[in-house]
Amino acid sequence: DAGVIQSPRHEVTEMGQEVTLRCKPISGHDYLFWYRQTMMRGLELLIYFNNNVPIDDSGMPEDRFSAKMPNASFSTLKIQPSEPRDSAVYFCASSLVGTGGIAGANVLTFGAGSRLTVL
Amino acid sequence: KQEVTQIPAALSVPEGENLVLNCSFTDSAIYNLQWFRQDPGKGLTSLLLIQSSQREQTSGRLNASLDKSSGRSTLYIAASQPGDSATYLCAVLGGSYIPTFGRGTSLIVHP
Repeated sequence: DAGVIQSPRHEVTEMGQEVTLRCKPISGHDYLFWYRQTMMRGLELLIYFNNNVPIDDSGMPEDRFSAKMPNASFSTLKIQPSEPRDSAVYFCASSLVGTGGIAGANVLTFGAGSRLTVL
Repeated sequence: KQEVTQIPAALSVPEGENLVLNCSFTDSAIYNLQWFRQDPGKGLTSLLLIQSSQREQTSGRLNASLDKSSGRSTLYIAASQPGDSATYLCAVLGGSYIPTFGRGTSLIVHP
């Protein structure tokens, strides 16, 4: 497997523009997480999905942020409209929790991240 | 709510030293604890995973231990090298299956 794949790797945009970040999780993984990382706040969980269903989006900072997972192999994080304070690195991660007590063995795997700069 | 603390926040040592990085967590009801490495401008790379029933895991010069009852884990790096310079993060997987991360320890190993 190629691992968790994110695109774009870098995005520079102007304030007010729409930004869409994409993620392809590892095949077979049933959990998908979106994180945001900044120097000030560290790694923050924005939202996570289980079997394509959003479970907890309490970390999404505002209504300008939305995330979808239309199928098991694709997820998007959208910011509309974008603001300079949204500048950060956005990571997608996936894991296989499964059932039957294998949760402890699951390895959380991160993508390379999408570095967003909003001017 | 699970809280994860990493001490020290930053560490600078000469090459060859043996190092101990600490991670503590408040809720001992966990499935596992995972140590990651992050190089500047890069993603997080998994180093070691310790399941809740295990006491330690080893990979090369790295050894991670887990004391669930006291809410502590340590990452031991033997004979440190400049290539070990990075930020090291620990993440705890709790009952909600949400990984909770510490803020990390920034390590610099100078020649």
